[in-house]
Amino acid sequence: EDKVVQSPLSLVVHEGDTVTLNCSYEVTNFRSLLWYKQEKKAPTFLFMLTSSGIEKKSGRLSSILDKKELFSILNITATQTGDSAVYLCAVVLPNTGNQFYFGTGTSLTVIP
Amino acid sequence: NAGVTQTPKFRILKIGQSMTLQCTQDMNHNYMYWYRQDPGMGLKLIYYSVGAGITDKGEVPNGYNVSRSTTEDFPLRLELAAPSQTSVYFCASRGNSYNEQFFGPGTRLTVL
Repeated sequence: EDKVVQSPLSLVVHEGDTVTLNCSYEVTNFRSLLWYKQEKKAPTFLFMLTSSGIEKKSGRLSSILDKKELFSILNITATQTGDSAVYLCAVVLPNTGNQFYFGTGTSLTVIP
Repeated sequence: NAGVTQTPKFRILKIGQSMTLQCTQDMNHNYMYWYRQDPGMGLKLIYYSVGAGITDKGEVPNGYNVSRSTTEDFPLRLELAAPSQTSVYFCASRGNSYNEQFFGPGTRLTVL
């Protein structure tokens, strides 16, 4: 069964819109939750969240973690065509190798 | 630093053939990972390593083998290629802190 579930699976918006991407997970004991952006090649790191309720912000992107309700959201304001990508969420397990469990991703398309 | 490098970039195999996907990192990272990503899907962990000489299975290890004789190298071996192994393979590494994984550019493998 999937440990990390992302929604929606895909999203099409117009430039300037604000989007919220969701990541829910079944793992109750984890070290951190990470968000990545994947364009045509390998994923690139966006945020790492370890504490509940503390927002991380980078330009137009922000993310927050709710450890009680077991979810995280990624917000993108004033979207641009360059934001078009697949956004991946991953949970880091506290086992020996600190395995990363990835969700299937949300495909975001921003049209002019 | 070159970061994480992977070779080859593309490969087509016939059913039953074998090959090794190479992965090298020059960041002196202890942790290394192999993922596969099927079209429209998230990343699935195949194998991981916490240091030279130590490897362990991830979510989808069947049909693959790995070795870690040095800190830098983490090759992935396919012994009897099957069409189900058609995928994009990503290698990643991480330092000792609970931080992001650095990904290689990926190897696109097709088994016909």
